[in-house]
Amino acid sequence: DTGVSQDPRHKITKRGQNVTFRCDPISEHNRLYWYRQTLGQGPEFLTYFQNEAQLEKSRLLSDRFSAERPKGSFSTLEIQRTEQGDSAMYLCASSLARGSTYEQYFGPGTRLTVT
Amino acid sequence: GIQVEQSPPDLILQEGANSTLRCNFSDSVNNLQWFHQNPWGQLINLFYIPSGTKQNGRLSATTVATERYSLLYISSSQTTDSGVYFCAVPRRSSGSARQLTFGSGTQLTVLP
Repeated sequence: DTGVSQDPRHKITKRGQNVTFRCDPISEHNRLYWYRQTLGQGPEFLTYFQNEAQLEKSRLLSDRFSAERPKGSFSTLEIQRTEQGDSAMYLCASSLARGSTYEQYFGPGTRLTVT
Repeated sequence: GIQVEQSPPDLILQEGANSTLRCNFSDSVNNLQWFHQNPWGQLINLFYIPSGTKQNGRLSATTVATERYSLLYISSSQTTDSGVYFCAVPRRSSGSARQLTFGSGTQLTVLP
């Protein structure tokens, strides 16, 4: 069990550019979540996958954001035409549904700075 | 949606002191997680505690689900305990997502 990994750890981009982040969940975890955290706040839910199906999206996820989880393994989060307000920490989490247990484990995050 | 409130927002302790962090939530829940976010941003799982009391070394947690609160106890604090402590509960929904709603955290600073 190597934990949830995310890449890159840091990304600096200019406004208007597209960026893509990757998340590798704990192996055999069928649930994968993306959250966003801004300075001084707790993480906020963006979207959720069960296996390869994207089952829920937050209203925070504007049409500039898209997420995929091909083959139900790793996931990517793409932001098109980045804006300064997109600057945040993007966190990925995974869990394995077992009975009523849904404990989530988080990756180290990708810190995005839009200049 | 469910509201999660944490107190105090900030806490400064001398090394060796004990502390209690509180998490109140506005609706009944069937699980609750406590996390420690280190200075690099990593969220570290401390407890998964839907109800009752659990202990792990110098840390312990108690959740009283019927009264909608949870407490995190830190004893004999160390400088490495510094960081932000979050509690998080799943949002009730007809689906199965169980995405977490986080409180705004308690910023703990332990001085040597």
